[in-house]
Amino acid sequence: GAVVSQHPSWVICKSGTSVKIECRSLDFQATTMFWYRQFPKQSLMLMATSNEGSKATYEQGVEKDKFLINHASLTLSTLTVTSAHPEDSSFYICSAVGGSYEQYFGPGTRLTVT
Amino acid sequence: DAKTTQPPSMDCAEGRAANLPCNHSTISGNEYVYWYRQIHSQGPQYIIHGLKNNETNEMASLIITEDRKSSTLILPHATLRDTAVYYCIVGTGANSKLTFGKGITLSVRP
Repeated sequence: GAVVSQHPSWVICKSGTSVKIECRSLDFQATTMFWYRQFPKQSLMLMATSNEGSKATYEQGVEKDKFLINHASLTLSTLTVTSAHPEDSSFYICSAVGGSYEQYFGPGTRLTVT
Repeated sequence: DAKTTQPPSMDCAEGRAANLPCNHSTISGNEYVYWYRQIHSQGPQYIIHGLKNNETNEMASLIITEDRKSSTLILPHATLRDTAVYYCIVGTGANSKLTFGKGITLSVRP
């Protein structure tokens, strides 16, 4: 089956620093990837849609200058949380479009900002 | 807002069938019904999807009512590893944005 990886799986950073999260489709090409955020005991919330070679489309209320998304190749999208603050601590999950109907999700990245 | 409603939780005995209901009364003609599940602290896992016909794969069966306003996901022989939050979502295809509701927490008991 289609496999999506994320790196790192967890990260702790200090307030004010930036953190980059990678999302890779390992055995397929993905023209579209999605980024989600999940707070404890809550459901996934879509942050942005990432299309290879073009600018990401952000959901309402998501700061595009804070959450930088780059989809430079058909197998890699990155999410950079700039000037992270404790309220950005969350579980970040990406998904990649692997066919006509399915999205395949990565294992998630746990970000803790101290 | 999610376009589906699900009960918050249910449980079933190991080895028995788990029938998870979902209402999607406002589904459009070109929207599919997707089911994903999320085991604690992991990314969601795709289970199955359907448009109007019933579907079956190695994981589960999906029964969609004739009016398409509701569906049921069936795990034929639940195991302890099936304990997870199950999300019923409607969408127009792989490139469509998926709106996750609260899902239904399935607890499989020994």
